[in-house]
Amino acid sequence: DIQMTQSPSSVSASVGDRVTFTCRASQIIRSTKLAWYQQKPGKPPKLLIYAASSLQSGVPSRFSGSGSGTDFTLTISRLQPEDIATYFCLQANSFPLTVGGGTKVEIK
Amino acid sequence: EVQVVESGGDLVKPGGSLRLCCAASGFTVANAWMSWVRQAPGKGLEWVGRIKSNSDGGTVDYTAPVKGRFTISRDESRNTLYLDMNSLEIEDTAVYYCTTVDRTTAWYVAWGQGTLVTVSS
Repeated sequence: DIQMTQSPSSVSASVGDRVTFTCRASQIIRSTKLAWYQQKPGKPPKLLIYAASSLQSGVPSRFSGSGSGTDFTLTISRLQPEDIATYFCLQANSFPLTVGGGTKVEIK
Repeated sequence: EVQVVESGGDLVKPGGSLRLCCAASGFTVANAWMSWVRQAPGKGLEWVGRIKSNSDGGTVDYTAPVKGRFTISRDESRNTLYLDMNSLEIEDTAVYYCTTVDRTTAWYVAWGQGTLVTVSS
């Protein structure tokens, strides 16, 4: 199985801050097979970014993704209160699909 | 609008069985890649299994911890996906989500609200 390692596990930032978190795969994965999701407590995951850098329809443009090979990044350019959630990467390069441990975002 | 709604979660004893249902609307289950994904309390997501569309062979894959115990199937007449779970273990306790691949993005976009399975004596 491909292991996905996310860092940091949590981040506390102020409204308006730029927040970046990373995801490292245990082996090279195709960029088209990496996505980022947001999950709020008690809710299902919501797709933010797919194919490493494509913004899902309806998702604010302050979210962006980048990366290739084994290293991928999600950036929130200006953190908003409604961004409080856990974010995780998902690889679909091979089955079983695997997710990172998640990054919990809190507002200072 | 593409929607999926899970049902069937319950409290069950170790060794017991349970069937989860995922009612689909806005698309045809036979033509979709669909998955069951679970999330144990306070934990991350774990892919339980995936079924491909009929046009892609309709094959089913399972993650190792559930292989031989869980079975994914679909009823095209009811437009419903199922997850049959046998020999349940305490570690199977989780919220189980049904999700389907979106045709535009080729990613899992539509998710249900989940159904809770608790395995406890």
